[in-house]
Amino acid sequence: GAGVSQSPSNKVTEKGKDVELRCDPISGHTALYWYRQSLGQGLEFLIYFQGNSAPDKSGLPSDRFSAERTGGSVSTLTIQRTQQEDSAVYLCASSHNRGLSGNTIYFGEGSWLTVV
Amino acid sequence: KQEVTQIPAALSVPEGENLVLNCSFTDSAIYNLQWFRQDPGKGLTSLLLIQSSQREQTSGRLNASLDKSSGRSTLYIAASQPGDSATYLCAAPLGGGADGLTFGKGTHLIIQP
Repeated sequence: GAGVSQSPSNKVTEKGKDVELRCDPISGHTALYWYRQSLGQGLEFLIYFQGNSAPDKSGLPSDRFSAERTGGSVSTLTIQRTQQEDSAVYLCASSHNRGLSGNTIYFGEGSWLTVV
Repeated sequence: KQEVTQIPAALSVPEGENLVLNCSFTDSAIYNLQWFRQDPGKGLTSLLLIQSSQREQTSGRLNASLDKSSGRSTLYIAASQPGDSATYLCAAPLGGGADGLTFGKGTHLIIQP
């Protein structure tokens, strides 16, 4: 596709419910990242996928958070038993190769999650 | 663990001025550093990527410098325009063998027409 696509763009959910956020990276990009941006805060790294390698989950804040990437393309971030502090913008990004080595990283416009 | 700090947190200047945004990082063993722009309600757009072997990168009116030894990077914006109003974010690799970038909290820039 033309850019990183995320859905839903907005989600309001009740505390305790599970939510799934979807990311469709740019075609051909092997690296995929999830970040979280809370109101007034910086971006917080959550998880990184690179090709078929085991993901780097070092940023996931709790075991309520999980992510998968099927077929090396689309990724889903799942938050179980949502809490109000999970309210944030969840941003997905992709890059052509291992982004850290110098490839430009492209971000989607985010999924705005509100837990009430 | 890498920590990135940006100063100032907010800046408002008249149109036409040249300005400098500052970024500092704690782990100088980085292999690149990136500057991004974020418009309200939008995702991030990559502006400049500086490799560790480079001192600076330029794109149009933007110039970013990198000084690994002092743990600093600056983003210079020449002849600022109202369209430059946005939040500018600096990002460095997480370090410690972890993948991903760590971001500063950004500088919220307003260019007054």
